[in-house]
Amino acid sequence: GAGVSQSPRYKVAKRGQDVALRCDPISGHVSLFWYQQALGQGPEFLTYFQNEAQLDKSGLPSDRFFAERPEGSVSTLKIQRTQQEDSAVYLCASSLGGTGGFNSPLHFGNGTRLTVT
Amino acid sequence: GQQVMQIPQYQHVQEGEDFTTYCNSSTTLSNIQWYKQRPGGHPVFLIQLVKSGEVKKQKRLTFQFGEAKKNSSLHITATQTTDVGTYFCAGKAAGNKLTFGGGTRVLVKP
Repeated sequence: GAGVSQSPRYKVAKRGQDVALRCDPISGHVSLFWYQQALGQGPEFLTYFQNEAQLDKSGLPSDRFFAERPEGSVSTLKIQRTQQEDSAVYLCASSLGGTGGFNSPLHFGNGTRLTVT
Repeated sequence: GQQVMQIPQYQHVQEGEDFTTYCNSSTTLSNIQWYKQRPGGHPVFLIQLVKSGEVKKQKRLTFQFGEAKKNSSLHITATQTTDVGTYFCAGKAAGNKLTFGGGTRVLVKP
């Protein structure tokens, strides 16, 4: 596709439910990032993949958060036993990347707005 | 850890006026990127600065990287209603991830 695609656009989950958020990056982009953006705040780094390898997961807030990119393309961010503080927009971004992943411009998707009730 | 702060948090500007927004990092950066996020939208890449003291222009937008590579600024001249949105800087320190600032929310009064 022309850009980064994320689904669903909106997700409402009851506290304690598990959710899975999908990201389809730009074809050929090596690097893929997940960010969390709370209302009125800047994006907060969660994790980074280079192809299928998860090179940095230092931003994942707890062990309830898990991300994968098994074939080096589509990525899924899974949140187990959701809590109200998980409510935010989850942004996926991809870049041409390579070894200098963070030196290349990030192309963001429209995000998934997660609301935990 | 690395922190990136932006001031002001909000910028109300009359259409046609100029303004500047500032970005400061707690650590020396290898590069800095600027993004714009329209209301309800996602961040869109504007520019990247790499060299100490670098200045780049995009039409009415002028971006500058500080000599010490710890701060940056964005200056907009003759503000238009299309400039409405939140401007984020994002800094990368050597070996570290890209850290975003809190953004400057720009509102334009016609």
